[in-house]
Amino acid sequence: DTEVTQTPKHLVMGMTNKKSLKCEQHMGHRAMYWYKQKAKKPPELMFVYSYEKLSINESVPSRFSPECPNSSLLNLHLHALQPEDSALYLCASSRTQGSGANVLTFGAGSRLTVL
Amino acid sequence: GQNIDQPTEMTATEGAIVQINCTYQTSGFNGLFWYQQHAGEAPTFLSYNVLDGLEEKGRFSSFLSRSKGYSYLLLKELQMKDSASYLCAVMDSNYQLIWGAGTKLIIKP
Repeated sequence: DTEVTQTPKHLVMGMTNKKSLKCEQHMGHRAMYWYKQKAKKPPELMFVYSYEKLSINESVPSRFSPECPNSSLLNLHLHALQPEDSALYLCASSRTQGSGANVLTFGAGSRLTVL
Repeated sequence: GQNIDQPTEMTATEGAIVQINCTYQTSGFNGLFWYQQHAGEAPTFLSYNVLDGLEEKGRFSSFLSRSKGYSYLLLKELQMKDSASYLCAVMDSNYQLIWGAGTKLIIKP
């Protein structure tokens, strides 16, 4: 299995809703990432988990809350989002964090629209 | 600051060759990656260079010159399916990936 699976593919939510994005990989990777990508822009790193511990939080607003229940799963909990948070949210994994040839395998993304 | 520059958009003809350049200025260097991203889809890994020289992988090749802070991605025998954005990313001394803004490649018949 060489895939990263993300659900849902599309999500529309109001500013008062609470929802979660889910990500799963079974490649034995020990680093997992959340990226946010706006149209025609490169991916923007949000969070990194290494061996199920949060190692990087790129000053992301608290309305985004990551969770890593085990080495295969990564969640992103969403609450009280703003319309400007509408974007493609990409999950990625890699064998480890902090090594040179650290190839990221991306999921297909969750397209989020905040009304 | 850290900076990666690539052309915003390029156009090429089916069957031809195209070279996408990337120049970088980063805090340290632990390798350079090229990813392909079709519209609305996730990036997929194309190549990794950490030493100077050319790495060839089928129709795609990637070149690196660390002294010049320069890389290029060479695509041969272009096909319509190669229409996509090509992202250059450098891993800095903290093993953080610094992304370029991407080059949108348009292939015409």
